[in-house]
Amino acid sequence: NAGVTQTPKFQVLKTGQSMTLQCAQDMNHEYMSWYRQDPGMGLRLIHYSVGAGITDQGEVPNGYNVSRSTTEDFPLRLLSAAPSQTSVYFCASRPGLAAYEQYFGPGTRLTVT
Amino acid sequence: GEDVEQSLFLSVREGDSSVINCTYTDSSSTYLYWYKQEPGAGLQLLTYIFSNMDMKQDQRLTVLLNKKDKHLSLRIADTQTGDSAIYFCAERETSYDKVIFGPGTSLSVIP
Repeated sequence: NAGVTQTPKFQVLKTGQSMTLQCAQDMNHEYMSWYRQDPGMGLRLIHYSVGAGITDQGEVPNGYNVSRSTTEDFPLRLLSAAPSQTSVYFCASRPGLAAYEQYFGPGTRLTVT
Repeated sequence: GEDVEQSLFLSVREGDSSVINCTYTDSSSTYLYWYKQEPGAGLQLLTYIFSNMDMKQDQRLTVLLNKKDKHLSLRIADTQTGDSAIYFCAERETSYDKVIFGPGTSLSVIP
């Protein structure tokens, strides 16, 4: 198993550009989520999905869109990047909503200038 | 709302014990976690404890939970330089859909 994979590892965007951060898992996990990590603030939940076709907002959803057309993939879209979205983004998955262990991807470091 | 707090930095000498503390606010938390993040890497689950437990030991790691004070601690015995990392405390809501993370404690181990 590759686990949770994320691409790209690094990205620089200009303000107003759009892009999609990719996340995939090969463990047949139902639950997937996106977090952003900012210094001194821990990880904050952006969006999550409890299964294909189902998504919901987390703590900081503004400026981000998600979709879940397959069990494996959970892309995060930035429609119009802003400097405030400069952060490290982590995707995570777990077998189901009640499962205790969550598996994290290696992260995408995004800089918006 | 829910909040998880940790001190941001801790420095210890190699061979000593490290104690990382965490406080949380949600009394209905079902799981409490400790994650480790090494530089440039994602988060790795170190250990977890159910909210109906007081203590859990796993090799060099000891987790203590004081539900009355909503206080969680992680003790690392015989701390090594490879333990240098950021340690995140996290709580899981009863509804399961959210895991709330603390800001992380950066542990530096001095040789």
